[in-house]
Amino acid sequence: AQTVTQSQPEMSVQEAETVTLSCTYDTSESDYYLFWYKQPPSRQMILVIRQEAYKQQNATENRFSVNFQKAAKSFSLKISDSQLGDAAMYFCAYRSVGNNDMRFGAGTRLTVKP
Amino acid sequence: EAGVAQSPRYKIIEKRQSVAFWCNPISGHATLYWYQQILGQGPKLLIQFQNNGVVDDSQLPKDRFSAERLKGVDSTLKIQPAKLEDSAVYLCASSLGRQGFTEAFFGQGTRLTVV
Repeated sequence: AQTVTQSQPEMSVQEAETVTLSCTYDTSESDYYLFWYKQPPSRQMILVIRQEAYKQQNATENRFSVNFQKAAKSFSLKISDSQLGDAAMYFCAYRSVGNNDMRFGAGTRLTVKP
Repeated sequence: EAGVAQSPRYKIIEKRQSVAFWCNPISGHATLYWYQQILGQGPKLLIQFQNNGVVDDSQLPKDRFSAERLKGVDSTLKIQPAKLEDSAVYLCASSLGRQGFTEAFFGQGTRLTVV
């Protein structure tokens, strides 16, 4: 089964600065999807950004971008110009193409300091 | 577009009691997931439905947990009897489920406390 590892339980960043959250995964599949979800204290998981494994180009959504290294099985999230509202738990997720099976990492708690 | 609805939001029960959670996915979403999220951990997949069929229930403790998705729409997750270690947030999510690049949409979850 695929596993997702987030090695940083907690991270902090100064407002307006840039922070990078790490994620690695283990899979034998060649095609899959990767996601970063944000979970604020309200508990509702919100999609931040997603990446298709067959695409070499890194996904970007406004202040959020990823560094996808397929050979290294690495999928890090970069948040630029951090805002107070970015404070939350961030989860990396892997989804198989064939059966839509979705697995999550343990999460990284991001604190944004004013 | 209405999101994924879950109820109740909170539930407190004593150990050995039974409890049920309800989920209404986004209309038209074929895939439905139930996750268990223990405090401080990432969501763990309990069961995945494709329409009303089970795709993956390998991590569902079948001696006490059961789930069904009647008519391929709403779903219920039941725990009977509950144990202290079942205290967690239970998240329901749904996705279109087609081949292709679709995200999962999550409900707000049900926080279960077993005392």
